[in-house]
Amino acid sequence: EVLLVESGGGLVKPGGSLRLSCAASGFTFRNAWMSWVRQAPGKGLEWVGRIESKTDGETTDYLAPVKGRFTISRDDSKNTLYLQMNSLKSEDTAVYYCTVDNNWGPGYWGQGTLVTVSS
Amino acid sequence: DVVMTQSPLSLSVTLGQPASISCRSSQSLVYSDGNTYLTWYQQRPGQSPRRLIYKVSNRDSGVPDRFSGSGSGTDFTLKISRVEAEDAAVYYCMEATHWPPYTFGQGTKLQIK
Repeated sequence: EVLLVESGGGLVKPGGSLRLSCAASGFTFRNAWMSWVRQAPGKGLEWVGRIESKTDGETTDYLAPVKGRFTISRDDSKNTLYLQMNSLKSEDTAVYYCTVDNNWGPGYWGQGTLVTVSS
Repeated sequence: DVVMTQSPLSLSVTLGQPASISCRSSQSLVYSDGNTYLTWYQQRPGQSPRRLIYKVSNRDSGVPDRFSGSGSGTDFTLKISRVEAEDAAVYYCMEATHWPPYTFGQGTKLQIK
C-alpha cells in the first residue's frame, strides 16, 4: 500500500523559511516522479512543483509564483521528498500535499501538512 | 498557461439520480503522442484528493463503475450514473498535456439531496 506522510508544517512569519518532508513507502521511491500540490483554506488545488527520478535526471519544475523561492529535493536512501520554502508570503498559506505522479499526474496523495504564514 | 473551466460550480442531486460535471480547457488537450491527459479528482470533506479517472476515461483501481469520463479536445465530462451519499464531494478536473504546470479547474461541489 502506498503511504505518504508529510511533516514540517506550522506557523511562520512572512519572509521566513520552512522545510516540509514527505516520508514514502509502499512503492519504489527512487523510480517515482513526485509532486507537491497545495490548497489554500477553502480554495481549490494548485500544483506547486515536481521532481523527476534520478534516472530521469532529477529535473525539477515549479509554479511561476514559487520559482526561486521553493526548492524540491529528494533523498532516495531515505525514501523522503522535501520542499524547502524560503521568503514565505501570506499567499503561501495552504495545506501542502505530497503526491506520487503516475499516468501523467498526481496519483497517490498524502494527508497534507498545514503551512500558515502570518505575523 | 491553459485555463480549465468547470461548470457548474455547485450542484445538488437527488440520491440515485445522475450527475454531470463539465470541464473545458482554453487549448486542446491532445498531446503530441496522440493521448489526452485529462484527469478527474474527488475530494470528500476533510480528506485528501483521490484520483478517479485519468486520460479522459480510464478509471483508477477501486473506483466504482458509476463514475465515467468522456470528451475530447477541449470539452470533457465526468458523469455519475446514480449518485450515492458518499459521492458528496468537490470534484476537480486537471490537465497535464501542457505541463508544467499541471492546471486544475476551480472545482465543482456536489451535494446529495
